[in-house]
Amino acid sequence: SQQGEEDPQALSIQEGENATMNCSYKTSINNLQWYRQNSGRGLVHLILIRSNEREKHSGRLRVTLDTSKKSSSLLITASRAADTASYFCATDHNQAGTALIFGKGTTLSVSS
Amino acid sequence: DAGVIQSPRHEVTEMGQEVTLRCKPISGHDYLFWYRQTMMRGLELLIYFNNNVPIDDSGMPEDRFSAKMPNASFSTLKIQPSEPRDSAVYFCASRRAGSNSNQPQHFGDGTRLSIL
Repeated sequence: SQQGEEDPQALSIQEGENATMNCSYKTSINNLQWYRQNSGRGLVHLILIRSNEREKHSGRLRVTLDTSKKSSSLLITASRAADTASYFCATDHNQAGTALIFGKGTTLSVSS
Repeated sequence: DAGVIQSPRHEVTEMGQEVTLRCKPISGHDYLFWYRQTMMRGLELLIYFNNNVPIDDSGMPEDRFSAKMPNASFSTLKIQPSEPRDSAVYFCASRRAGSNSNQPQHFGDGTRLSIL
């Protein structure tokens, strides 16, 4: 079963707007990661946030983590058509953290 | 640096045939993962290896599925006999050793498998 669940399932915005995707998970985690998948390609790692961090930035990406609510959000600012992709959160598959379990993803469409 | 390399990219075969998917992980990576992706079930972890040793195969759906990693630079996922419900995109990923999931996984571009 999925540990992480993304919300919304699909999001359509215009170029220049911000996109926010949310992830909820069920059990305690060591870290949470976000990945992007372009159509027909494999997943690409975007950012990792540790359980003792609350916010992290990387370029136009901002990730927050609220361990009390078991949730995370990914914000993409000033979106571009090239940001069109599916976005997945991933959390620990087991306590040792040796593997990940992925949510079903949010499909983002950015139109110009 | 070369990324994770999977072959073939596409495979179409008839039900009952044996299917072998191949993966070359990134050099120096200690972990290798096999996933299956479908619209209905999302991305499922099938099995993963650490230093060529299978660690957890609880995600392998049936005995028809098997995976091997004979050396650090090669892994196979085999389905025998294949069935139409095995149709999916199969991904291989690798990562460096690290504690508590603090290392990113690097994915290949997948094998799109269609069983007729």
